[in-house]
Amino acid sequence: DQQVKQNSPSLSVQEGRISILNCDYTNSMFDYFLWYKKYPAEGPTFLISISSIKDKNEDGRFTVFLNKSAKHLSLHIVPSQPGDSAVYFCAAALSPTSGTYKYIFGTGTRLKVLA
Amino acid sequence: DTAVSQTPKYLVTQMGNDKSIKCEQNLGHDTMYWYKQDSKKFLKIMFSYNNKELIINETVPNRFSPKSPDKAHLNLHINSLELGDSAVYFCASSHSGRTQFFGPGTRLTVL
Repeated sequence: DQQVKQNSPSLSVQEGRISILNCDYTNSMFDYFLWYKKYPAEGPTFLISISSIKDKNEDGRFTVFLNKSAKHLSLHIVPSQPGDSAVYFCAAALSPTSGTYKYIFGTGTRLKVLA
Repeated sequence: DTAVSQTPKYLVTQMGNDKSIKCEQNLGHDTMYWYKQDSKKFLKIMFSYNNKELIINETVPNRFSPKSPDKAHLNLHINSLELGDSAVYFCASSHSGRTQFFGPGTRLTVL
């Protein structure tokens, strides 16, 4: 049972345009979300996060939107650049009562930005 | 300077062998993790250590045994390797657990 889903395995966007990557989750108790970017043969690199008390977080060209009622998360990249071509993972977690955050990851969306 | 490093990057071995993967972080983090990414690209938590104490232990065969000699190191030892253990194993670390920083991964191939 997959609690975090990225239903689009791939996405192609023209350089300079907006890239929108989507993520859906099933557990309404998740309260912290992350986006990671991954290049081939490298580990995931942290991009941006959002807490469930917010509906938007922005960092440069990257903005994450959270719609709690729809249990939907999206990452907007604008403007898209060829170097953004990578696999993007979303991850969700419950705030721990003890210990640490245990993240559930989506299966990723491969973004290709065309020059 | 590499923040989270893993060795080896590639590991090819025969079924039934025992192997270890090492992980080191120089970020001063107190929590470290092992993840497995299988052929379907699912990235799943296996273990987590906080200050050398095991705090997450998912449903993983007991052939897998993590060892944390100190806060900066978390090693993964796998006994009696099976074909299904072939995957990419990622180490990660964090402070407070919210944002986790990943190593480059170790691609394990069991023949």
